[in-house]
Amino acid sequence: DIQMTQSPSSLSASVGDRVTITCRASQGISNYLAWYQQKPGKVPKLLIYAASTLPSGVPSRFSGSGSGTDFTLTISSLQPEDVATYYCQKYNSAPWTFGRGTKVEIK
Amino acid sequence: QVHLVQSGAEVKKPGASVKVSCKASGYTFTSYGVSWVRQAPGQGLEWMGWISVYNGNTNYAQKLQGRVTMTTDTFTTTAYMELRSLRSDDTAVYYCARGGPLTASSTPDAFDFWGQGTMVTVSS
Repeated sequence: DIQMTQSPSSLSASVGDRVTITCRASQGISNYLAWYQQKPGKVPKLLIYAASTLPSGVPSRFSGSGSGTDFTLTISSLQPEDVATYYCQKYNSAPWTFGRGTKVEIK
Repeated sequence: QVHLVQSGAEVKKPGASVKVSCKASGYTFTSYGVSWVRQAPGQGLEWMGWISVYNGNTNYAQKLQGRVTMTTDTFTTTAYMELRSLRSDDTAVYYCARGGPLTASSTPDAFDFWGQGTMVTVSS
């Protein structure tokens, strides 16, 4: 099975900072990569799909890039409401594995 | 608007079974797959499996093979996930989500809508 490795596992940044989270697949997955945001005590929310496409309603400060094995989620200007755990997920084929998550906090 | 509404919290003893329901509305039920994801307390997301609402095909996580069954009822637009021989490490919040491919050979979709989650506690 393809493994998804996320880094870092946690980070602390100031409001307004640029934040980058990476996700690496152990084999190529084309662009079948999604990012989810899960705020404390809440349901996961789809943030990005097809590696770089934002669903309607997701703020434009979020962006995704990458293809193949290496992917990035960027928050251009961190806001207090972005405190959450972020997960990547491959969905090209089963099993649709999630990364272990990156917890984002405000410094 | 799309809604996935799950059944309520369950408390089960080790060895028992649990069946969680997920009522879908606001979209054509047979045009999307349904996936199930669980999250143990303080842990990350774990994909459990997928069912094609279109033709009933399933794909289960290897670690759950033999203990999990996913089904759908297209008349009531409800998906079900049954987990048998429960153990303490099955204690988790269980989510249904719209996503996965329509059929095993279709282009897959990310999980764009999620149910509110169902807490399943396994304790003697």
